[in-house]
Amino acid sequence: GAGVSQSPSNKVTEKGKDVELRCDPISGHTALYWYRQSLGQGLEFLIYFQGNSAPDKSGLPSDRFSAERTGGSVSTLTIQRTQQEDSAVYLCASRPGVLGTEAFFGQGTRLTVV
Amino acid sequence: GQQLNQSPQSMFIQEGEDVSMNCTSSSIFNTWLWYKQDPGEGPVLLIALYKAGELTSNGRLTAQFGITRKDSFLNISASIPSDVGIYFCAGYNQGGKLIFGQGTELSVKP
Repeated sequence: GAGVSQSPSNKVTEKGKDVELRCDPISGHTALYWYRQSLGQGLEFLIYFQGNSAPDKSGLPSDRFSAERTGGSVSTLTIQRTQQEDSAVYLCASRPGVLGTEAFFGQGTRLTVV
Repeated sequence: GQQLNQSPQSMFIQEGEDVSMNCTSSSIFNTWLWYKQDPGEGPVLLIALYKAGELTSNGRLTAQFGITRKDSFLNISASIPSDVGIYFCAGYNQGGKLIFGQGTELSVKP
């Protein structure tokens, strides 16, 4: 497809389990972002990838959270030993590499930790 | 770190009224973006602003990039029920990190 694709769209997991969330950016987009949105809240920045540069991980809330981007395309956000407070919608966005251009969002993955 | 302060947090208006919301920052941004988010969806870009002082329209939407590069506003004229949703301002810092405001939730009464 032409847009940013995220999978799964919904994920229910038990507390303590690990989860992986996937983001397929728009083809050719070199920048990729992950955000977390809790119910009724704004977008909390998690991590930013730009080309081959070291990612900006300044938003990751704990060492249980990690992300990688393989081959400059697909990205995976991993949450280890999930907690109930991790329940949120996780949004991914991508944009072309040039600063000042628009970022396009996927539909998000709704994570529920029970 | 850099933050965007968006206001108001929520608005309840009558159909047909005009709406105004704004964002301020303690530091300079080179680009301002305004997004709208419908329930269960990802944010969708409404307007992008690239130059200080720039005033841009998109249908009933008008947005401006403040002269100081530390603020922006979004106006919606003659609101309609489908304008309901959450509006976010966003800006890129020097390193390319995209930072969002807290959002303005708009409710429109028919």
